[in-house]
Amino acid sequence: EVQLVESGGGLVQPGGSLRLSCAASGFTVSSNYMSWVRQAPGKGLEWVSVIYSGGSTYYADSVKGRFTISRDNSKNTLYLQMNSLRAEDTAVYYCAREGVVGWGGLDWGQGTLVTVSS
Amino acid sequence: AIWMTQSPSLLSASTGDRVTISCRMSQGISSYLAWYQQKPGKAPELLIYAASTLQSGVPSRFSGSGSGTDFTLTISCLQSEDFATYYCQQYYSFPWTFGQGTKVEIK
Repeated sequence: EVQLVESGGGLVQPGGSLRLSCAASGFTVSSNYMSWVRQAPGKGLEWVSVIYSGGSTYYADSVKGRFTISRDNSKNTLYLQMNSLRAEDTAVYYCAREGVVGWGGLDWGQGTLVTVSS
Repeated sequence: AIWMTQSPSLLSASTGDRVTISCRMSQGISSYLAWYQQKPGKAPELLIYAASTLQSGVPSRFSGSGSGTDFTLTISCLQSEDFATYYCQQYYSFPWTFGQGTKVEIK
């Protein structure tokens, strides 16, 4: 069974850092593209970043230069390092994998809440 | 960036109704479009990818159509479990973008 389990969320002060983890099971993170998507409280979905099987990475303009996506194939885990956090980064962060290999879409984890506040 | 206009933002319907949700792009995206369903407090679930292909396990009352700039999600016979918020997403070019969402509520 495919599972994505996020962790690492919590309360952090503006300007602080946090690293989110997404432990995968039932597939290998290096065989699909893996992505992070966030949802601010009461708002819609916002794509954050993606890492392809070959290692290429892409970011939303709103997080470029502050967030870094990576994966550890030996741990079958995806990460999102978030630096210089702002109040507007407050959201539930979802880890997602390529829904159908070669065809796109996203299959989602349950999410982890990040709150940026003093 | 590709702008997406999803409409309507709110749809009031009854069980058994046929409903359609539209997603219009600011430029052509071929068929690189997905549809998701999200219920309160839950993660989104993939319904349709490549504009018209039903994800495994999704009921056949859901269907998607369109290519280029205009896309539609149709629910042929609304069931109680379908009351939720629906999002479209383009993955043709970066940044990937989502529609604003359509909340389907009980009339």
